[in-house]
Amino acid sequence: GAVVSQHPSRVICKSGTSVKIECRSLDFQATTMFWYRQFPKQSLMLMATSNEGSKATYEQGVEKDKFLINHASLTLSTLTVTSAHPEDSSFYICSARDYRGLGATQYFGPGTRLLVL
Amino acid sequence: EDKVVQSPLSLVVHEGDTVTLNCSYEVTNFRSLLWYKQEKKAPTFLFMLTSSGIEKKSGRLSSILDKKELFSILNITATQTGDSAVYLCGEETSGSRLTFGEGTQLTVNP
Repeated sequence: GAVVSQHPSRVICKSGTSVKIECRSLDFQATTMFWYRQFPKQSLMLMATSNEGSKATYEQGVEKDKFLINHASLTLSTLTVTSAHPEDSSFYICSARDYRGLGATQYFGPGTRLLVL
Repeated sequence: EDKVVQSPLSLVVHEGDTVTLNCSYEVTNFRSLLWYKQEKKAPTFLFMLTSSGIEKKSGRLSSILDKKELFSILNITATQTGDSAVYLCGEETSGSRLTFGEGTQLTVNP
């Protein structure tokens, strides 16, 4: 399957600081990437759809000014959590759709665990 | 908003047992139904289903979709302790948006 990487894998920061998470498709180009958040014992919740060269599309209830998304190239999308607070502590996962082959499938990155103190 | 419901939410079996995990969905702009396995980290892809009645197999795992009844099942035969994980079912709609169910926590005991 396709490979999606995320960096960093884990980050601890102080309340009020901003944190940037990178998502890269390593062996394919992705015009669309997706950002999810997962709280303990819960399922993945889609936060936003990241579109290369245009604005991201946010899900209802997700603050676009707090979760800044930039999809500057066909292989890189970044999520910046601005002025992070303890309630933002979560597991953030990105995915990218690989259109090669017979079935276009979404592949997930390894995730970034964010802890805001 | 599309809703995906998985059952059971939790399942404990012994090695060698066969399990069936269920997923029902509501259709609005349905594109595909995907199954993922999640252990400690991010989900790993298992199956993508788009057509009714066509079983997909990968080793001891298999899955099938019923678009008339709006559900899918994931079967695991001869379970092993390494199959212990959360199994997620997701409905993909137009625009490639994925809506996940709550997941089924499978525990396989030796």
